[in-house]
Amino acid sequence: NAGVTQTPKFRVLKTGQSMTLLCAQDMNHEYMYWYRQDPGMGLRLIHYSVGEGTTAKGEVPDGYNVSRLKKQNFLLGLESAAPSQTSVYFCASSYSEDTEAFFGQGTRLTVV
Amino acid sequence: SQKIEQNSEALNIQEGKTATLTCNYTNYSPAYLQWYRQDPGRGPVFLLLIRENEKEKRKERLKVTFDTTLKQSLFHITASQPADSATYLCALAPSGGSYIPTFGRGTSLIVHP
Repeated sequence: NAGVTQTPKFRVLKTGQSMTLLCAQDMNHEYMYWYRQDPGMGLRLIHYSVGEGTTAKGEVPDGYNVSRLKKQNFLLGLESAAPSQTSVYFCASSYSEDTEAFFGQGTRLTVV
Repeated sequence: SQKIEQNSEALNIQEGKTATLTCNYTNYSPAYLQWYRQDPGRGPVFLLLIRENEKEKRKERLKVTFDTTLKQSLFHITASQPADSATYLCALAPSGGSYIPTFGRGTSLIVHP
């Protein structure tokens, strides 16, 4: 039982490049989330999904897109990376909105 | 605007003492509040959830209180150990709407042997 797995763990991008972060969970959770964590800023919600085929915007959605084509996967896309998107990205999943969230190990992204 | 405040200064305590961390909030009607632990380079790990109609929750050496009048939650670790050193995050979910929680910035706890 792997829990929540994020791919990749580290990535360096040049400004303007695109990439996709993959989050996979094996707990059959309905809810999935993407957060970014910056020093002194805490965890901020980018996008979330309440079930397969659904997505919704969080607190800081600009510059990101997401897709949830399969229940177990939640993809976060950066179409044109900017240095302001340098951050640590965490994916999480939960059974419902008011149950504990399980987090992945994080993806450290640097945009130069 | 809605705010969640956790002490940005690290809390330093001696092993064996009780650590108390604070989470204050404004302009929220929370449905529930959660506490998470985060170690350096790792994702947060869930510890406890307390709902708006609950005053206190306990789990082993952990205790959470929730005072909706004071708009405050206190997180206690009794008989603290150096292994308890980490950053502790609180997260609040508003009643009505999506119930998706918003995280505070966290407080670092350092337990000295």
